[in-house]
Amino acid sequence: SQQGEEDPQALSIQEGENATMNCSYKTSINNLQWYRQNSGRGLVHLILIRSNEREKHSGRLRVTLDTSKKSSSLLITASRAADTASYFCATALADRGSTLGRLYFGRGTQLTVWP
Amino acid sequence: GAVVSQHPSWVICKSGTSVKIECRSLDFQATTMFWYRQFPKQSLMLMATSNEGSKATYEQGVEKDKFLINHASLTLSTLTVTSAHPEDSSFYICSAPKGKTSGRDGNEQFFGPGTRLTVL
Repeated sequence: SQQGEEDPQALSIQEGENATMNCSYKTSINNLQWYRQNSGRGLVHLILIRSNEREKHSGRLRVTLDTSKKSSSLLITASRAADTASYFCATALADRGSTLGRLYFGRGTQLTVWP
Repeated sequence: GAVVSQHPSWVICKSGTSVKIECRSLDFQATTMFWYRQFPKQSLMLMATSNEGSKATYEQGVEKDKFLINHASLTLSTLTVTSAHPEDSSFYICSAPKGKTSGRDGNEQFFGPGTRLTVL
């Protein structure tokens, strides 16, 4: 079963607006990662936040992590049409018995940014 | 960043045939690679972990005899879909972490561009 769930499933905004996507997960994690996927393409890593971190920035991206609520959010500021893509959160579990490096993905948020 | 390639990018085959998909890390060595499948507008589902020099580890519910994985070298993993059927049609994506994956931290993954498999 999927470890993460994103909401909303779809988000449509105008250029210049901010886009916020949320991710919830079920079990303890080592880290949480956000990826972007353009239609029919592979995934591109955006940002990784460790379980002991609460917030991280990278350019126009801001990620927060609340381990008590088992949730994370991705904020894209001043969005551009080129940001149109699907965004996925993925968790690296804290289970010591699991194969290291395995990632479990949420369902994704389809972001559409209109020019 | 690291580059991972997949070949072919798309393939169409008849039901009952086998299809091999290659995943290569082009500028780094990967002792571990991961295989995912993705249905339209859905998430990536982890299928298996490919381990160089040892057997692959399959996720629950994934048939190892159906999806054969061979990690032939430090830069190549192959996924063979045996006796493919229309329900195997999907987007298959591989990934590889660059650098040692420690016990306390999963590294970021570098993903291939994916292979679109259509079984008629």
